[in-house]
Amino acid sequence: DTEVTQTPKHLVMGMTNKKSLKCEQHMGHRAMYWYKQKAKKPPELMFVYSYEKLSINESVPSRFSPECPNSSLLNLHLHALQPEDSALYLCASSHFFKRRNTEAFFGQGTRLTVV
Amino acid sequence: ELKVEQNPLFLSMQEGKNYTIYCNYSTTSDRLYWYRQDPGKSLESLFVLLSNGAVKQEGRLMASLDTKARLSTLHITAAVHDLSATYFCAVDATGNQFYFGTGTSLTVIP
Repeated sequence: DTEVTQTPKHLVMGMTNKKSLKCEQHMGHRAMYWYKQKAKKPPELMFVYSYEKLSINESVPSRFSPECPNSSLLNLHLHALQPEDSALYLCASSHFFKRRNTEAFFGQGTRLTVV
Repeated sequence: ELKVEQNPLFLSMQEGKNYTIYCNYSTTSDRLYWYRQDPGKSLESLFVLLSNGAVKQEGRLMASLDTKARLSTLHITAAVHDLSATYFCAVDATGNQFYFGTGTSLTVIP
């Protein structure tokens, strides 16, 4: 099973709303990632969790709040977003880097529109 | 800051032709990955390159890695329409910190 599952697939939210994106994997991966991708651009790294601890935050605004409740789940809590935050949000997972192969497996993404 | 650059950014090629996409990166790494993305879809893993001189082939695609030159190539042989997509290389420089290249949008025309 090389599947990373993200929900929801599509989300429309107002600038005053609070919502959460969810991501789940059962590959035993201990590194999980959030990426943001705008149209016709490469994915941009937002957060990395290693063994359920936040290891990298790429200077992401505090209106994005990640959470890793356990080794299989990763959430991204959204609050007071701006229209420019509209994008495809991708979750990925991989083995921890001390294993040689850190190939990342990506979920299908959440298409977020902020209105 | 790690920079990962691909060229060309856009590639339009005729069916049956060969071409190479280049991926240059700015820091030492021996973990490089190639992904494919279809419009509106997620990223599909194509190749995993984990050592200097690594070469992997799958169908009409072949990827290689030269860590000394900080260069990876994705070679397309006898292109077919189904290969039309955006191709990204990604470098894991410090361990669990993937940075993607700028992407190459490939269109194969009959």
